[in-house]
Amino acid sequence: EPEVTQTPSHQVTQMGQEVILRCVPISNHLYFYWYRQILGQKVEFLVSFYNNEISEKSEIFDDQFSVERPDGSNFTLKIRSTKLEDSAMYFCASSVWASGALFTDTQYFGPGTRLTVL
Amino acid sequence: QQQVKQSPQSLIVQKGGISIINCAYENTAFDYFPWYQQFPGKGPALLIAIRPDVSEKKEGRFTISFNKSAKQFSLHIMDSQPGDSATYFCAAIPTQGGSEKLVFGKGTKLTVNP
Repeated sequence: EPEVTQTPSHQVTQMGQEVILRCVPISNHLYFYWYRQILGQKVEFLVSFYNNEISEKSEIFDDQFSVERPDGSNFTLKIRSTKLEDSAMYFCASSVWASGALFTDTQYFGPGTRLTVL
Repeated sequence: QQQVKQSPQSLIVQKGGISIINCAYENTAFDYFPWYQQFPGKGPALLIAIRPDVSEKKEGRFTISFNKSAKQFSLHIMDSQPGDSATYFCAAIPTQGGSEKLVFGKGTKLTVNP
């Protein structure tokens, strides 16, 4: 069964450093998402991406964050200058279609990248 | 308004018992309610989902009950098995507004004892 994959599984960085988290969505999917989960808290939406542009973003997704689909298979999340509070599990997800009134497609999640900012 | 409140935080059930997890929401724009199951080291995986035009949906041992007037929905796991031990998240999306954003509850860690 096709899966969303994410690398690395664990990233440790110093505060102020840039990190890039990588995801390979399921190959025929068109919509891509990043979520994060701070330890002990709920999974929170960061951003959705379709047709090479951001379609929706949360208030968490400020100028320090950016997303890119650099080629036909990878989807990346960049944090420009990491803060201690960016420490979290980051999940990538993908779906064939977006949500709609009549049909809501399943978002398939990857296993996550645990980001630790020291 | 954008919150989904989930309870309990953790649940211990004996094998063969019924596990019940409850969620409540305030935003009436939510109109799609999935439940996700997450095993350690894995991402959340869709378990079952419901729209508010039905009051119940059953798939195997898993049933969602939905109370639109109370803005509550719950997951029932019948004949719970040790293999069901995982973290369960309820979620909601306001699809009519064209949003793709899943709003998650805080999760319930279910342990099924053999």
